Amino acid sequence: QSVLTQPPSVSAAPGQKVTISCSGSSSNIGNNYVSWYQQLPGTAPKLLIYENNERPSGIPDRFSGSKSGTSATLGITGLQTGDEADYYCGTWDSSLSVVVFGGGTKLTVL
Amino acid sequence: QVTLKESGPALVKPTQTLTLTCTFSGFSLSTSGMRISWIRQPPGKALEWLAHIDWDDDKFYSTSLRTRLTISKDTSKNQVVLTMTNMDPVDTATYYCARTPLGGLSHYFDYWGQGTLVTVSS
Repeated sequence: QSVLTQPPSVSAAPGQKVTISCSGSSSNIGNNYVSWYQQLPGTAPKLLIYENNERPSGIPDRFSGSKSGTSATLGITGLQTGDEADYYCGTWDSSLSVVVFGGGTKLTVL
Repeated sequence: QVTLKESGPALVKPTQTLTLTCTFSGFSLSTSGMRISWIRQPPGKALEWLAHIDWDDDKFYSTSLRTRLTISKDTSKNQVVLTMTNMDPVDTATYYCARTPLGGLSHYFDYWGQGTLVTVSS
């Protein structure tokens, strides 16, 4: 059971937009930065978004992040078949003094 | 160019101690704010953070695994070592090391190693 809650799966057609939610509490998302990772099959996770809405160099602006209260959202526009992957949110939990991740969301591009 | 690479045994027996080494290049762990974490992922399951060590030797551990984990660094060798005692089949996972460049309030991982699969079986 993950501390952060993500939907197990989402799907959308190529070219469409999808959002992935990440729900937590005041001890984690509510008072700390959120990051998002993309994990393609058989590979290590890759940083997509850090500090809630910042994109590292090289990450296209099709990927965006937002946070409101104790929830965060990853948005992906212009979906491509290459976006099919597992997506994870992560943050610090100030009460537990640990990094926590969501359970992951599998994105299918139909 | 920043790189990290995990090394260690692919197979350990139950009750044994696992020692994993993260060897990195392209940055120094003596740089203010730098941090290295260990994260694992059982087959088909989610990411689980295990521990991190900061540039100033500050250390944090997973609450549930705290008694079994030790993290240390050798700045001169550009290495971070994680030991996990009393290994069990449920510890079978791919183990990753990852970098956090700013530390402090930042807990994101901008570079990851390729991961090393550790299987616990007799």
